[in-house]
Amino acid sequence: SQTIHQWPATLVQPVGSPLSLECTVEGTSNPNLYWYRQAAGRGLQLLFYSVGIGQISSEVPQNLSASRPQDRQFILSSKKLLLSDSGFYLCAWKPRVNEQFFGPGTRLTVL
Amino acid sequence: GENVEQHPSTLSVQEGDSAVIKCTYSDSASNYFPWYKQELGKRPQLIIDIRSNVGEKKDQRIAVTLNKTAKHFSLHITETQPEDSAVYFCAYLSRTYKYIFGTGTRLKVLA
Repeated sequence: SQTIHQWPATLVQPVGSPLSLECTVEGTSNPNLYWYRQAAGRGLQLLFYSVGIGQISSEVPQNLSASRPQDRQFILSSKKLLLSDSGFYLCAWKPRVNEQFFGPGTRLTVL
Repeated sequence: GENVEQHPSTLSVQEGDSAVIKCTYSDSASNYFPWYKQELGKRPQLIIDIRSNVGEKKDQRIAVTLNKTAKHFSLHITETQPEDSAVYFCAYLSRTYKYIFGTGTRLKVLA
């Protein structure tokens, strides 16, 4: 079966601390992978997407970075978090021709 | 550019009435148009999609229509129920494999 995992589910971090969010998928090879951020009550902001291992496209210049060390693993990182980094982080994938599915999300609060 | 306008931003309907959400996109090369439903605190869920080779698609109480000439597509929900209350996002798949999302419509179904 095809599934997508994200962890942790919730995270509270102090300003200036590092961040690492992980997303893994199962059930297909070479999927397109995406990271989105959603501020409270707002829409979906695309942060990064990847069409293959080592191929990362950045949509918004900021203090975040992404990596894809394995075909089915997508990692979102930051060296120093800002207050404005708080939000709901969603990993998504495109396992088939067109459909995109979202992971369960990580709710990040930066204090 | 890559853009989609979604209206209205909020919509309140009485239970049993119909709801319509409209989106207008800019990229004439778009061929895939999904709709997502996001309940409070949850991930967006793909509820219906349409490809450019058809003008309408139905799935029980929900339907989507597409007018490629006018670059419009709409979500129709009939016989609305309280559990239809959520935020709905339209989107299209761009030629660069990104999903371009609308800003969302908050639907409230009043019992």
